[in-house]
Amino acid sequence: KNEVEQSPQNLTAQEGEFITINCSYSVGISALHWLQQHPGGGIVSLFMLSSGKKKHGRLIATINIQEKHSSLHITASHPRDSAVYICAVVGNEKLTFGTGTRLTIIP
Amino acid sequence: KAGVTQTPRYLIKTRGQQVTLSCSPISGHRSVSWYQQTPGQGLQFLFEYFSETQRNKGNFPGRFSGRQFSNSRSEMNVSTLELGDSALYLCASSLVRGASEQYFGPGTRLTVT
Repeated sequence: KNEVEQSPQNLTAQEGEFITINCSYSVGISALHWLQQHPGGGIVSLFMLSSGKKKHGRLIATINIQEKHSSLHITASHPRDSAVYICAVVGNEKLTFGTGTRLTIIP
Repeated sequence: KAGVTQTPRYLIKTRGQQVTLSCSPISGHRSVSWYQQTPGQGLQFLFEYFSETQRNKGNFPGRFSGRQFSNSRSEMNVSTLELGDSALYLCASSLVRGASEQYFGPGTRLTVT
């Protein structure tokens, strides 16, 4: 069993829909990252959080340390949000990654 | 401020050869981490350098090594290349060490034939 599990693996939605991507982990962590990877490989860091909730524009990330679970929400989704979203946890000062969620937003 | 740069962007090598990849961090960032991304294993941590010292290492064989220079630029080297080393190699820089907020470079895509 992977230390970091993401669901769903693939998600297709219509433009404007509310999107939720989930991340569960089985190890003790000091923080959790949400990353976005576009075709071609470039990775952008969206959030780093260790408790509670963070918001940036249409993106919201939450974490529940007790339940070892984090969610990434996208409100009013847009085709430009189409990308792979990766959850990564910080343990022993290094990142362990989930397998990613491929999101496709249809106009 | 310039972002993280990696050279070369694409590389084709033959089994048994060695390769050196380069990463220039954002100015002022002293930590450089390296990652390997493959379709089968996903993203995996290789190592982190901070102030010219390797501070952390992932679960990779000794064929994978790296170094960091006084200007924080980093190189990673893979010796005796295997087909399975074909991957996208990403580096990321950060102000402080220990998997803090990271800024990723565009990656070097290595193909081993």
